[in-house]
Amino acid sequence: QVTLKESGPVLVKPTETLTLTCTVSGFSLSNARMGVSWIRQPPGKALEWLAHIFSNDEKSYSTSLKSRLTISKDTSKSQVVLTMTNMDPVDTATYYCARSLGELGYFDYWGQGTLVTVSS
Amino acid sequence: DIQMTQSPSSVSASVGDRVTITCRASQGISSWLAWYQQKPGKAPKLLIYAASSLQSGVPSRFSGSGSGTDFTLTISSLQPEDFATYYCQQANSFPPWTFGQGTKVEIK
Repeated sequence: QVTLKESGPVLVKPTETLTLTCTVSGFSLSNARMGVSWIRQPPGKALEWLAHIFSNDEKSYSTSLKSRLTISKDTSKSQVVLTMTNMDPVDTATYYCARSLGELGYFDYWGQGTLVTVSS
Repeated sequence: DIQMTQSPSSVSASVGDRVTITCRASQGISSWLAWYQQKPGKAPKLLIYAASSLQSGVPSRFSGSGSGTDFTLTISSLQPEDFATYYCQQANSFPPWTFGQGTKVEIK
């Protein structure tokens, strides 16, 4: 059974760095052709893709947020970590991690999401 | 970046109705398109990938079509559990993968 679960702070202050962890089970992060993305959704708004890491450790980022994002993984812990620097209230959103279907950009399994609020 | 535009933004329909949602890409994406269903407070669920391939476990009343820039999601006979928001997503041009703004299917 494939599962993903996000964890991290529920509240961060403006200018702080956000660190979110996605813990996966039911598949290995070292499996060929598997990848994990981070996707966010501000309250009442649409989904926004943020970053992706492939099984070979190749990484890719949103063009508009690239300077603020870092994605990494620890295969032994089955975890994918996203850091986002210089948080702002507009970054308030539910953050999801999701598994990509093979090497394709389709997301077949999602975590439950974690709401992060940016406020002083 | 490729922009994805869905229409309508919302649709009111009754149980048993046929519902069609369209998604237009700002440039050609071949058949690299997915559709997701999202219910309030829940994560999105993959319905259709590669424009017309039904994800395992998804009811056959859902279907997708299109290629290039214009795509359609059709629900052949709307069921009570289908009231939700639907998103399209392009997987052709990366990075970034991009989503549409969503279409809310509401009870009439």
